[in-house]
Amino acid sequence: GDSVTQMEGPVTLSEEAFLTINCTYTATGYPSLFWYVQYPGEGLQLLLKATKADDKGSNKGFEATYRKETTSFHLEKGSVQVSDSAVYFCALSPSSGTYKYIFGTGTRLKVLA
Amino acid sequence: SQTIHQWPATLVQPVGSPLSLECTVEGTSNPNLYWYRQAAGRGLQLLFYSVGIGQISSEVPQNLSASRPQDRQFILSSKKLLLSDSGFYLCAWNKLASHTDTQYFGPGTRLTVL
Repeated sequence: GDSVTQMEGPVTLSEEAFLTINCTYTATGYPSLFWYVQYPGEGLQLLLKATKADDKGSNKGFEATYRKETTSFHLEKGSVQVSDSAVYFCALSPSSGTYKYIFGTGTRLKVLA
Repeated sequence: SQTIHQWPATLVQPVGSPLSLECTVEGTSNPNLYWYRQAAGRGLQLLFYSVGIGQISSEVPQNLSASRPQDRQFILSSKKLLLSDSGFYLCAWNKLASHTDTQYFGPGTRLTVL
């Protein structure tokens, strides 16, 4: 079945460091891919998405490219801030139209000043 | 624009008591609706989803149930809570149209069962 694998956290970085959070997936066809962010005590917010191969999603300095050949959707940011501290979830929406997202287990990011 | 509401925001209930959590969506019609649970430090577990009024699909057999009495209202219930029901409950919606559509989440309900 479809699945999403995220790197284990927590990830601890200093302010202005480069961030990469790895996400790989298993799915048939061409799923849509998403990154969500969850701040403490809140719901999930969409950070970015990509709906076809080679698409790059970007928002608030974060980027991720849909790589069909490596079945990956890694999240990157060139210079993290303390305010980026949160849990990040990678997710896919199967192209089969089952209406159900598949979420990764989440990666906690802590940015130190 | 569309908004999604959940209430209550927090809830502390004794074991064996009933539960009712409510989710409503504004600004859209005929959405897909979802209930997720997030245990402490864990990922999201899909509990129920609904593609229309009265249409509920259960993902995990347990003592929880869901109902959709109106197009934009989704209710999560239990007759008798267990300790293991503690967690952060999230409601979400998206449109029926395509797998490219984004799923939008509510602010969540923190449930503690004592």
